[in-house]
Amino acid sequence: ELKVEQNPLFLSMQEGKNYTIYCNYSTTSDRLYWYRQDPGKSLESLFVLLSNGAVKQEGRLMASLDTKARLSTLHITAAVHDLSATYFCAGCPYGNKLVFGAGTILRVKS
Amino acid sequence: DVKVTQSSRYLVKRTGEKVFLECVQDMDHENMFWYRQDPGLGLRLIYFSYDVKMKEKGDIPEGYSVSREKKERFSLILESASTNQTSMYLCASSPIQRPGTVNRFGSGTRLTVV
Repeated sequence: ELKVEQNPLFLSMQEGKNYTIYCNYSTTSDRLYWYRQDPGKSLESLFVLLSNGAVKQEGRLMASLDTKARLSTLHITAAVHDLSATYFCAGCPYGNKLVFGAGTILRVKS
Repeated sequence: DVKVTQSSRYLVKRTGEKVFLECVQDMDHENMFWYRQDPGLGLRLIYFSYDVKMKEKGDIPEGYSVSREKKERFSLILESASTNQTSMYLCASSPIQRPGTVNRFGSGTRLTVV
C-alpha cells in the first residue's frame, strides 16, 4: 500500500530565500504529482513527474523525481508572497488513483 | 473552460440525516473520485468510479456510498451523517490513464454535521 509523507508540514519563509519541500513515498508509484491549494480554493495542478530523474520548472518552483530513493522534491527559489499556499504531493499506485501527502503549508513573509 | 462542478460550497446537516453531495464534470472523463480533506491528513480517497455504474472503494469508504448513473455525474451519499463526517469533500475527474494525465478537482463542499 502506497504511503506518501511530506515534510515539513509547515514552512515559514522570508521573501527572497530558497527552500525545499520533500515528498517520500513507500512503494512503487507510476508518477508523482504536485498540487497547490489556496485557502478556500480547489487544488491546482503544478507538475506531473513521470520518470526517474524528471525535472520540471515553472517560475520559482522546480520539481524533481528520484524513483530509486522514492523521493520527490519541490524547490522554491527566491520566494515571494504570492507563493503562500498549501502544497501537496501525490503518488499514483495504479490507474488514476492518487494517494496524497498531508500537505505543506507555506507562508512567505515580507 | 472545462469544469468539475460541485453543487454546494457549504452544507450544514443534522446527525442521522441522509446527505447527497453531487459532482458534475463536462470533460467526458471516464474516472471520477471523491476525497475528503482534513487538516494534517491531506486528501483521502473515499470512492472512485472508472465507468458508469462501476465503483471501487478507496481508503476510507465506511459510512459512505456512491452512485454513478451517468458518465458526467458522480454522487457521494452519507447514509446517516455523523459529526465525524464534518469535513471538506472534493470531487475529481480524469480521463483514462495516459502519461501525464492530470486529475481535475472541483472547488469542494464544506460539510458540517451538527
